[in-house]
Amino acid sequence: DVKVTQSSRYLVKRTGEKVFLECVQDMDHENMFWYRQDPGLGLRLIYFSYDVKMKEKGDIPEGYSVSREKKERFSLILESASTNQTSMYLCASTPYRVNQPQHFGDGTRLSIL
Amino acid sequence: GQQVMQIPQYQHVQEGEDFTTYCNSSTTLSNIQWYKQRPGGHPVFLIQLVKSGEVKKQKRLTFQFGEAKKNSSLHITATQTTDVGTYFCAGHNDMRFGAGTRLTVKP
Repeated sequence: DVKVTQSSRYLVKRTGEKVFLECVQDMDHENMFWYRQDPGLGLRLIYFSYDVKMKEKGDIPEGYSVSREKKERFSLILESASTNQTSMYLCASTPYRVNQPQHFGDGTRLSIL
Repeated sequence: GQQVMQIPQYQHVQEGEDFTTYCNSSTTLSNIQWYKQRPGGHPVFLIQLVKSGEVKKQKRLTFQFGEAKKNSSLHITATQTTDVGTYFCAGHNDMRFGAGTRLTVKP
């Protein structure tokens, strides 16, 4: 069974801090995604990656960056955290083959004070 | 990216009543996926529809894909308290999700 693991379930940081959210999958999936989930807005795509060292902007990349140095790991970076980045962050992965479902991690609930 | 609109945003039903959520895209979709997120959980894949006009069933759940492949629906017959959660559609062209429909069921 596919396992997508996010490093923290809950995280509290301060405004201006650099924040790292880590995601690891154990199924050798090529595609990895970062979403944020806010009430009434559903899941909004921040960044995705189709391969190591490759990244593509999603719909709301401002204030975020990503890193994919290894196939199994996809990191989301908040360069200078702000209060409007308080949210639930979800990581997902799929194999490269088309028409495959996304497998999600449990999410990281991030609070920026 | 594509726009995937989902309605209603919320639905509260009495146990035993039916429930339907609708998903509409501004562009033709190669396929559409449906997910369920239980309260406090993460989205879990339910089903994928690929063909124009396709209908698939999972017990009390019926999924439809429109003839033009621009809309889809999920219908639950005789809801139960275990159906509580948020249901999302996702257009597989570029994995954009609808805003979700949050279903609550009164016993």
